[in-house]
Amino acid sequence: NAGVTQTPKFQVLKTGQSMTLQCAQDMNHNSMYWYRQDPGMGLRLIYYSASEGTTDKGEVPNGYNVSRLNKREFSLRLESAAPSQTSVYFCASRPGPWEKLFFGSGTQLSVL
Amino acid sequence: AQSVTQLDSQVPVFEEAPVELRCNYSSSVSVYLFWYVQYPNQGLQLLLKYLSGSTLVKGINGFEAEFNKSQTSFHLRKPSVHISDTAEYFCAVSQTGANNLFFGTGTRLTVIP
Repeated sequence: NAGVTQTPKFQVLKTGQSMTLQCAQDMNHNSMYWYRQDPGMGLRLIYYSASEGTTDKGEVPNGYNVSRLNKREFSLRLESAAPSQTSVYFCASRPGPWEKLFFGSGTQLSVL
Repeated sequence: AQSVTQLDSQVPVFEEAPVELRCNYSSSVSVYLFWYVQYPNQGLQLLLKYLSGSTLVKGINGFEAEFNKSQTSFHLRKPSVHISDTAEYFCAVSQTGANNLFFGTGTRLTVIP
């Protein structure tokens, strides 16, 4: 099993550009998540999806949109990138709220 | 909403010494609590979790944590650390049964030879 696959691994954007981070899991998990990790700030929840067809805001949703395309895929879109969105982004999934998160390998995003 | 406070951003400790990493949470309802570890240049791995029942939870690599409801704490302990325990440790909380999961800001544990 591949687990949680994120693409791309690295991306450099100019301010105002848009992009979509892709995430797919092959473990038949119900819940999927997007976090950003910044030094000294830990992981902050951007959006999550408890099940196919549902999405909910986390702690820091401004500037982002998500799509739960199907049970496997959960994408994160930056419509107009800002330097404050420079971060490492992690996708994660798990079967249910009592289970551990399975993380992707991360996307290092720089917005210039 | 739940929140997590990790009081120490950095903890240096000598090899074979004991360590305690502190975690406090705020919630008016019952919670699930987790500790994750992130080794350098790697993703996060689950160390242990508390869902219900016994307040002392044992995890991987000799770590354990104790849930204290009255103090709203879930401190992580290890009686004797190794160099390989050098990593960043994250406490996380969610309301029981809720799908969101909130992380603390992390504690960087450095084990000194």
